[in-house]
Parts: sequence; C-alpha cells; structure tokens
Amino acid sequence: GAGVSQSPRYKVAKRGQDVALRCDPISGHVSLFWYQQALGQGPEFLTYFQNEAQLDKSGLPSDRFFAERPEGSVSTLKIQRTQQEDSAVYLCASSLPSGSEQFFGPGTRLTVL
Amino acid sequence: GDSVTQMEGPVTLSEEAFLTINCTYTATGYPSLFWYVQYPGEGLQLLLKATKADDKGSNKGFEATYRKETTSFHLEKGSVQVSDSAVYFCALSDWSGSGGGADGLTFGKGTHLIIQP
Repeated sequence: GAGVSQSPRYKVAKRGQDVALRCDPISGHVSLFWYQQALGQGPEFLTYFQNEAQLDKSGLPSDRFFAERPEGSVSTLKIQRTQQEDSAVYLCASSLPSGSEQFFGPGTRLTVL
Repeated sequence: GDSVTQMEGPVTLSEEAFLTINCTYTATGYPSLFWYVQYPGEGLQLLLKATKADDKGSNKGFEATYRKETTSFHLEKGSVQVSDSAVYFCALSDWSGSGGGADGLTFGKGTHLIIQP
C-alpha cells in the first residue's frame, strides 16, 4: 500500500483480556516505531525495530506489553491482561534508515472497559 | 531526559490572522526538530523539520527556525485559513548513535488550532 496501515482501527476489550494490534509499514522501510497517545496528550515512544531486531523497548510501560517484528516487515504489539489505563490510541510509524522522516499510520484506538 | 513544551490550546483565530505556536525543548544531544499536524479524522503528518541550528523549515506557508541559543522552534504562519484548523505537535529526535540507536520522537502535548471564518 501507499502508506502505513494499522488494524483494527478500533478495539474494545474487557479488563484482563489480551489484545494484539497490527502494523503494516511502508514497503522497504527498515525502521518501525510504536507510540502510545493518551487522550489530550502527545504520542509517547514505546519501542523501535530496525528490520527484525528490537533495538529499544525502553518506553514499554510494563512487562504486559510485548512487540515483535519477526520477518522485518509487519509488526504486532501485544498487550496482556489489559487494564483501564491502557486505553489510548496506539500509533505505528515507519521510516527508511534512522534519522529519516517517520510516516505514521492512522492508529488503533483501544478502549478497555 | 528529553522533553518538549508547547503552548496549550485551544488557540482560536480569525481567518487571515498571524499565527505563532511556541515550542521549547530540552535535549541531551543535538536534536532534529519537527512540527507534525493532525487534521480531524486523519493521522499525523510531518509539516516541516530542521536538523541544525539556524535552519528554517517551511511548508504550506508555515515556517519554524531552529534556535539553539533559546532552545526554541516556534511555528509561524502569516495568514491562516480555515483549512489550517488541526492539532499541531512539536517534536524532537535526539539520536545519539549509541546504544540501541533508537531515534523515537519526543512530542509535546499538542496545540489545538481553531480558525474561524
């Protein structure tokens, strides 16, 4: 596709459920980023991949959050045992090598009840 | 750690008014600076960027100059239009090239701009 795509666009989960959020980056983009955007706030960095290697996961808020990119393309962000504070928009971005412009997807809005 | 502070909104202006949205930053390294825009119902889009001191980024009539001495990157436009109504985010990337090499963006909280006809 022409841009970064994310699915699902909206997800409602009951507290304690596991969720998986998918990101399809722009073809050929080496770098992939996940961000969390709470209501009324700016996006906050979660984790970064270069190809299949997760080079930085310092922004993941707890060990309930896990991200993977096994073949260096599609990435999945998994949240286990969701809590209400996990409610946010999760943004994925991709770019060519480090330092290049990041292109953002439309985001997945997660609501935990 | 790195941080970005931008003026809080909403900012409401009349069409053709002059716009300034203030942005200041703190960073441990020598960051690149960005303005992103989020139009209603759309994803984040890069508006402009600057990678070194005194650089001026510009796009769609918007401008911002990288001021190292005041650690600022204020966004300006001479004559705003209704179509400029959106949320604007100032951001920085402070890749040191060490450790994991991550250059995730650090964002401000965003400024909601409303332009009235």
